[in-house]
Amino acid sequence: QGQLMESGGGVVQPGRSLRLSCTASELTFSDYGMHWVRQAPGKGLDWVAVIWSDGSEKHYADSVKGRFTISRDNSKNTLYLEMNSLRAEDTAVYYCARDFVVVKVAGHYNWLDLWGQGTLVTVSS
Amino acid sequence: AIQMTQSPSSLSASVGDRVTITCRASQDIRNDLGWYQEKPGKAPKVLIYASSNLPSGVPSRFSGSGFGTDFTLTISSLQPEDFATYYCLQDYSYPYTFGQGTKLEMK
Repeated sequence: QGQLMESGGGVVQPGRSLRLSCTASELTFSDYGMHWVRQAPGKGLDWVAVIWSDGSEKHYADSVKGRFTISRDNSKNTLYLEMNSLRAEDTAVYYCARDFVVVKVAGHYNWLDLWGQGTLVTVSS
Repeated sequence: AIQMTQSPSSLSASVGDRVTITCRASQDIRNDLGWYQEKPGKAPKVLIYASSNLPSGVPSRFSGSGFGTDFTLTISSLQPEDFATYYCLQDYSYPYTFGQGTKLEMK
């Protein structure tokens, strides 16, 4: 089934940077696209970014475009989120999640099937 | 970005009730919609993919329907473990977007 574990969260001042990591185990990491999803305290889920299995494509939410960078190192089974110019509104629990794809006659479908437990990022002076 | 409007934002129900949550997309997303359940302190869990498909292990009391812009999640007979927050997620195009969530509470 596999496991994902995030790390790197903490308290950071506005305008500073932070890098999150998500380490995969018991799965073939290089076979899967990966997402970052966040949840601000008391708020709903907020999709952040995705990277394809080979790193060839990356997409971002408008709220983080130009400030956050998603990347991966398949040799280390690790996903990253580099967060720059952090703002108070970036305060959230950040989850990594696996993109699972199934191919059927009608087409291919995907969903986020495996999630880590999350790491808390607090942006505060 | 595609906007997902989910309703209601909260819902009170009892064990055994039939419950329906709806999600409306700001444009046609075919059937590229999933439903996720979230409980406090736990990672979200997928319930439905491609509008109406259940991943392995999801109880059959959960069902989904819809195509285009209007979608529903139905729980046919609420169980105690179903009291949680539910989100729709469109995966038709990037950026993906979640609905605002529906908190299902015990009456």
